[in-house]
Amino acid sequence: KAGVTQTPRYLIKTRGQQVTLSCSPISGHRSVSWYQQTPGQGLQFLFEYFSETQRNKGNFPGRFSGRQFSNSRSEMNVSTLELGDSALYLCASSPRTGSTEAFFGQGTRLTVV
Amino acid sequence: GQQLNQSPQSMFIQEGEDVSMNCTSSSIFNTWLWYKQDPGEGPVLLIALYKAGELTSNGRLTAQFGITRKDSFLNISASIPSDVGIYFCAGYNAGNNRKLIWGLGTSLAVNP
Repeated sequence: KAGVTQTPRYLIKTRGQQVTLSCSPISGHRSVSWYQQTPGQGLQFLFEYFSETQRNKGNFPGRFSGRQFSNSRSEMNVSTLELGDSALYLCASSPRTGSTEAFFGQGTRLTVV
Repeated sequence: GQQLNQSPQSMFIQEGEDVSMNCTSSSIFNTWLWYKQDPGEGPVLLIALYKAGELTSNGRLTAQFGITRKDSFLNISASIPSDVGIYFCAGYNAGNNRKLIWGLGTSLAVNP
């Protein structure tokens, strides 16, 4: 069974630009959660999608958004990028919402210059 | 956001030594999880604990769910070089908006 796939692996953007990251969950998993990981703050929860609906949201500004498609693939978008958005963005897939069995992708390393 | 207190922040040990790390919280959790993250990879689930007092092993790893439900411990016996990485604890409470709360990680270095 294929694991969680995140694309792209690396990305460099300039301030003010917007970016879209993609996550394909494990086949059969319907819940996708997104995290931002930085050295000082650890893993910070962004949001969770299940059945194309946002089920949970962390404390991030509205510049961070996401969506989920009918095949459970998910995208997250960050608009008006700031230097502080540089981080590893991780996607985790679970069989169902509220599940503690989270399987992570390798992440997308975003650098904002 | 809310975080768990994970300690120590980093450890440098000799191959063959045992390792202990722990996580504490001011809130009660009904699930504790331990993950390991290798460089350039996402976290991988090592052990999941679902009941206060539970002691669970996965090879050389043993984790315990504290009886107060506010802490958890991870022990690694006879460390080897491939144990290098960052270990994260995470707590879950269905009443806590159903979000995993994470520690900041323990970075482990093993000297062969």
